[in-house]
Amino acid sequence: GENVEQHPSTLSVQEGDSAVIKCTYSDSASNYFPWYKQELGKRPQLIIDIRSNVGEKKDQRIAVTLNKTAKHFSLHITETQPEDSAVYFCAACNTGNQFYFGTGTSLTVIP
Amino acid sequence: GAVVSQHPSWVICKSGTSVKIECRSLDFQATTMFWYRQFPKQSLMLMATSNEGSKATYEQGVEKDKFLINHASLTLSTLTVTSAHPEDSSFYICSAGGHVNSPLHFGNGTRLTVT
Repeated sequence: GENVEQHPSTLSVQEGDSAVIKCTYSDSASNYFPWYKQELGKRPQLIIDIRSNVGEKKDQRIAVTLNKTAKHFSLHITETQPEDSAVYFCAACNTGNQFYFGTGTSLTVIP
Repeated sequence: GAVVSQHPSWVICKSGTSVKIECRSLDFQATTMFWYRQFPKQSLMLMATSNEGSKATYEQGVEKDKFLINHASLTLSTLTVTSAHPEDSSFYICSAGGHVNSPLHFGNGTRLTVT
């Protein structure tokens, strides 16, 4: 099946700085890449997604880039705030509509 | 829209007993639902894909006789952990998506503690 790798596993940034999380995937047929934010004990919440026919997508402070050739995609959060602190997961969706998740990044924004 | 309801949210059971977890799509029909397992501070591991009206597809390493999945209708999938043991203690989350390559919507998850 698909193998999704995510880095870094932990990330601490000062409030106002940017945070970048990177993921790679193995299945070239994967064509949909969502990012989820999960707070402790809660369900994952979709924050942004990108499809394979797009290279970049932005939503306010959050942006995602996709390089299909290299099979990697990244999440960029600008002007970080303490409430951005959570665990972030990338995922790759294959043609069977199965989602495979990265190992997660624990983001801490220091006030 | 796209609400997924999961019950129970927390269950404690004794070793050897079976536990059933329900996952319902409340405002859309889901021909496919997915079951994930999450250990503390770890990622979501896909366990199986639940297909309405047919057998579930299990990921490699997941025992189908241990984790029974039934998807009897377009809005309900159940996961039964049979003969539970302490190592089965985990956070189980179901999810469903309305269309191919569209976001997954997650249930609230079920925290299973086997004593």
